[in-house]
Amino acid sequence: DIQMTQSPSTLSASVGDRVTITCRASQSISGWLAWYQQKPGKAPKLLIYEASSLESGVPSRFSGSGSGTEFTLTISSLQPDDFATYYCHQYNSYSATFGQGTKLEIK
Amino acid sequence: QVQLVQSGAEVKKPGASVKVSCKASGYTFTSYGINWVRQAPGQGLEWMGWISFYNGNTNYAQKVEGRVTMTTDTSTTTAYMELRSLRSDDTAVYYCARDAVPYTLSSWSYFDLWGRGTLVTVSS
Repeated sequence: DIQMTQSPSTLSASVGDRVTITCRASQSISGWLAWYQQKPGKAPKLLIYEASSLESGVPSRFSGSGSGTEFTLTISSLQPDDFATYYCHQYNSYSATFGQGTKLEIK
Repeated sequence: QVQLVQSGAEVKKPGASVKVSCKASGYTFTSYGINWVRQAPGQGLEWMGWISFYNGNTNYAQKVEGRVTMTTDTSTTTAYMELRSLRSDDTAVYYCARDAVPYTLSSWSYFDLWGRGTLVTVSS
């Protein structure tokens, strides 16, 4: 299976900050990567697909980039609603895999 | 309304089986696959497998293969996930999630629609 490694595991930031989360794949997945946001007690919500395509209805402060094995999710100016856990997901192989998650906390 | 509605919470003893349902509505269900993803308490997301509503083809994660069976009932637009020989580490919230891309041959899509989750607790 393709392993997905996210960093950092926890990130402390303030409202208005620009933050970046990284996801690395153990082998090339081309651009077949999605990002999700999850809040406690809720199902994940799709933010980004195909590495850089913004899902409809998702604020433009969210952006994704990368290809091959290294990918990033950037939030340009943190809002109070953005404090949550973020997961990357590769769907290039026969078995899908998720990163271990990055918890974004209020500093 | 486009949605996936899951069955309610379950409590099972070790060694038992559980069957979780996921009813699709508001879209052409036969066009899209359904994935099952679980999340143990305080842990990350784990993909368990995929089933095609179109032809019933399945693809299971190696970790649960042999203990899991995913099925669909097109007459009720419902997908099912049965997990057998339950252990304490199967305690988790189980989500169904729809492929965003129609007619995929396996789990080669991101997930654009999720159920609310079903808590399965395994305890003696």
